[in-house]
Amino acid sequence: AQKVTQAQTEISVVEKEDVTLDCVYETRDTTYYLFWYKQPPSGELVFLIRRNSFDEQNEISGRYSWNFQKSTSSFNFTITASQVVDSAVYFCALSGATGANSKLTFGKGITLSVRP
Amino acid sequence: GAGVSQSPRYKVAKRGQDVALRCDPISGHVSLFWYQQALGQGPEFLTYFQNEAQLDKSGLPSDRFFAERPEGSVSTLKIQRTQQEDSAVYLCASSPRLDNYGYTFGSGTRLTVV
Repeated sequence: AQKVTQAQTEISVVEKEDVTLDCVYETRDTTYYLFWYKQPPSGELVFLIRRNSFDEQNEISGRYSWNFQKSTSSFNFTITASQVVDSAVYFCALSGATGANSKLTFGKGITLSVRP
Repeated sequence: GAGVSQSPRYKVAKRGQDVALRCDPISGHVSLFWYQQALGQGPEFLTYFQNEAQLDKSGLPSDRFFAERPEGSVSTLKIQRTQQEDSAVYLCASSPRLDNYGYTFGSGTRLTVV
């Protein structure tokens, strides 16, 4: 069975602070994918990143960066110089490779509040 | 359209009523998923279609829940005899491939059972 744990439930920071959202996963699959989604108050799920299990390179996209560590089964997400528009719920998710196994298992989400 | 379209956007049902929620995936997308998101929780998998075949329905919470995708495009999630615990946002997602590349979510249907 697959499992995603987001131990932090709520984080509050002041604008321009850096913030890291933690994600720990469990799976027996050797091929799997990890995701991060943003869910603003409007409710839609906004895709941020998809990373396969064979690619442990860290990724940076503007103010966002992701740290994938297979040894600790973690896929953490850092927002640098946070902004008020970053306020949202952030979900980490895990899936298997193909077909029905490609369904997503989500964590419970982290509510990020960025104060001006 | 360019994205996954779900209708209605909001639905209020009296307890015991049957409801039908519609999902229009992106044209040509092979894979289609339904998820249920209760308030304050992450989405949870309900069922999966590959074209018109329902290959996984392990997440459907009871036999009151039924989904179909008869022509491999539009999908309908039906809930019979709705209960208060069915209140949630129902999300549909589709993907052009079998490996969830290009996975796209719709905006969801918020169901409130009163």
